[in-house]
Amino acid sequence: NAGVTQTPKFQVLKTGQSMTLQCAQDMNHNSMYWYRQDPGMGLRLIYYSASEGTTDKGEVPNGYNVSRLNKREFSLRLESAAPSQTSVYFCASSEGIQGSQYFGPGTRLTVT
Amino acid sequence: AQKVTQAQTEISVVEKEDVTLDCVYETRDTTYYLFWYKQPPSGELVFLIRRNSFDEQNEISGRYSWNFQKSTSSFNFTITASQVVDSAVYFCALSVLNSGGSNYKLTFGKGTLLTVNP
Repeated sequence: NAGVTQTPKFQVLKTGQSMTLQCAQDMNHNSMYWYRQDPGMGLRLIYYSASEGTTDKGEVPNGYNVSRLNKREFSLRLESAAPSQTSVYFCASSEGIQGSQYFGPGTRLTVT
Repeated sequence: AQKVTQAQTEISVVEKEDVTLDCVYETRDTTYYLFWYKQPPSGELVFLIRRNSFDEQNEISGRYSWNFQKSTSSFNFTITASQVVDSAVYFCALSVLNSGGSNYKLTFGKGTLLTVNP
């Protein structure tokens, strides 16, 4: 099993560009999550999907959209990237909401 | 509101020493979950433990042990006989789901950087 996979690993965007971060899990988990990690801030939840067909805002949703494409895949979209969105993005999944979360390797995004 | 405080931003020990990482949490909910995660220098996040608010039994897993005390709202993590490979950032986290099943909140502490020197 690959666990949780994320693409791309690295990305550089110019301000105003858009992009989608992809996440997939092969553990048959119901719940999936997107986080950002910034120095000194720890991890902050952007959006989550408790189960297929549902998505909800986390702590820092502004500037992002998500799609739970199916049970396996949960994508994060930046419609108009801003330098404040420079961060490391982690996707995670768990069997159910509040379950033990398993994380992907992260995507390092730089917006110039 | 909920909060997780990891007061120790950095700890440095010598190999084979025991070390305790502190985690203090705040929540008004009676049902919640607590977690510890490890982030080694390579950057991935590794799940270590999940504990629900009704289970105050301490847990031991090899050199790792966790002490959950509701009376002091603490969920501390001890590494016995530390090794260089234990060097990492350790995060404590708290999750709450309200009784209606919506409004899930997950809060991470800011992490403690543990350096184990040979």
